[in-house]
Amino acid sequence: QKEVEQDPGPLSVPEGAIVSLNCTYSNSAFQYFMWYRQYSRKGPELLMYTYSSGNKEDGRFTAQVDKSSKYISLFIRDSQPSDSATYLCAMNPQGGGGFKTIFGAGTRLFVKA
Amino acid sequence: EADIYQTPRYLVIGTGKKITLECSQTMGHDKMYWYQQDPGMELHLIHYSYGVNSTEKGDLSSESTVSRIRTEHFPLTLESARPSHTSQYLCASSEDWTQYFGPGTRLLVL
Repeated sequence: QKEVEQDPGPLSVPEGAIVSLNCTYSNSAFQYFMWYRQYSRKGPELLMYTYSSGNKEDGRFTAQVDKSSKYISLFIRDSQPSDSATYLCAMNPQGGGGFKTIFGAGTRLFVKA
Repeated sequence: EADIYQTPRYLVIGTGKKITLECSQTMGHDKMYWYQQDPGMELHLIHYSYGVNSTEKGDLSSESTVSRIRTEHFPLTLESARPSHTSQYLCASSEDWTQYFGPGTRLLVL
């Protein structure tokens, strides 16, 4: 079983929709949770990160962590065609350097104009 | 935007050739990483470095080698390329656990 599971999609939504992207994980040691966005033929770029449980909002993006369920989510409000990309979740145990980060396989999102 | 650069962006090469993928960052980060990414698959860590003269192998077995002689530079070398090395190679750097990625090198070995 993979430590981090992420539905590969693709997920196709109309412009303006609310998008929900999710990951589940099995390692209870994970404390840092990240979302990266990767456009085609580019490297991943860090969107948001949260520590432990709770919510974090940044503009149209909200990251949510539920450690009791080992489940994290990224919500995108008022989705735009420019949001079309692959979204990778990533997790890291407390005290671990970046070399302990585990990435999900990514969910491909298409936002139709 | 992260200041991390990779060259070449695309490389097509024959089996048995020696290749070096370049990675440079201008953020002064001590930690640097090399990942392999195949379509629809997770990023797999193949090498990392804590700082100058420090290199470690990652979780994914790799026939490549790396060096870290300068803080800003972390090249990856394949002594003898094989078709199984065909993949995208991503370089990243970090100050802590949040990593900044370069644009990647797409390698095709014929």
